[in-house]
Amino acid sequence: EDQVTQSPEALRLQEGESSSLNCSYTVSGLRGLFWYRQDPGKGPEFLFTLYSAGEEKEKERLKATLTKKESFLHITAPKPEDSATYLCAVQPPNNNAGNMLTFGGGTRLMVKP
Amino acid sequence: EPEVTQTPSHQVTQMGQEVILRCVPISNHLYFYWYRQILGQKVEFLVSFYNNEISEKSEIFDDQFSVERPDGSNFTLKIRSTKLEDSAMYFCASRRPGQGADEQFFGPGTRLTVL
Repeated sequence: EDQVTQSPEALRLQEGESSSLNCSYTVSGLRGLFWYRQDPGKGPEFLFTLYSAGEEKEKERLKATLTKKESFLHITAPKPEDSATYLCAVQPPNNNAGNMLTFGGGTRLMVKP
Repeated sequence: EPEVTQTPSHQVTQMGQEVILRCVPISNHLYFYWYRQILGQKVEFLVSFYNNEISEKSEIFDDQFSVERPDGSNFTLKIRSTKLEDSAMYFCASRRPGQGADEQFFGPGTRLTVL
């Protein structure tokens, strides 16, 4: 069974204090790994897709990287508006047309001014 | 920017009643999904839908659940006889066709409360 584990569960940072969130996965033949941001009471908002080990994607203060067993979401000089839950999801090989996503439990990030 | 919309935002129902949750996917998308998130838990896949049929479903999606695309724009999730444990946020998502177009875009969710 595909497993996605995110750590830490919660992270408190001061504004400007850079850090990384971890997503480790066990899936047979990863097709894609996805990062989403979720604000309270809202739907997941797409951030990045990563397909192969060594790949990196950046958007503003966020950078996502991928290895064969895990992905990191690096947050550089975070601001209070970066406070949210960050979700990682994996997609197994396309054995059918479903392309379902398996989500991790998320990391709740709180950035204090 | 196009987005997925869902109605209602909050639905309260009595146990045993039928509910229909509605979604309007992004207009040029062809793959549609329902997920749910029980309070404090992970987002869980329910069902995927393509070309007017279910392409994949999870163990959660039993015969109490059904999906339909009644016209060219709406995508619905029906729960025939709701249970207390069906209380959750239900998210619709859609994906465009094409190689490398794997990201799914989520709606804001419908909060279902079963009393």
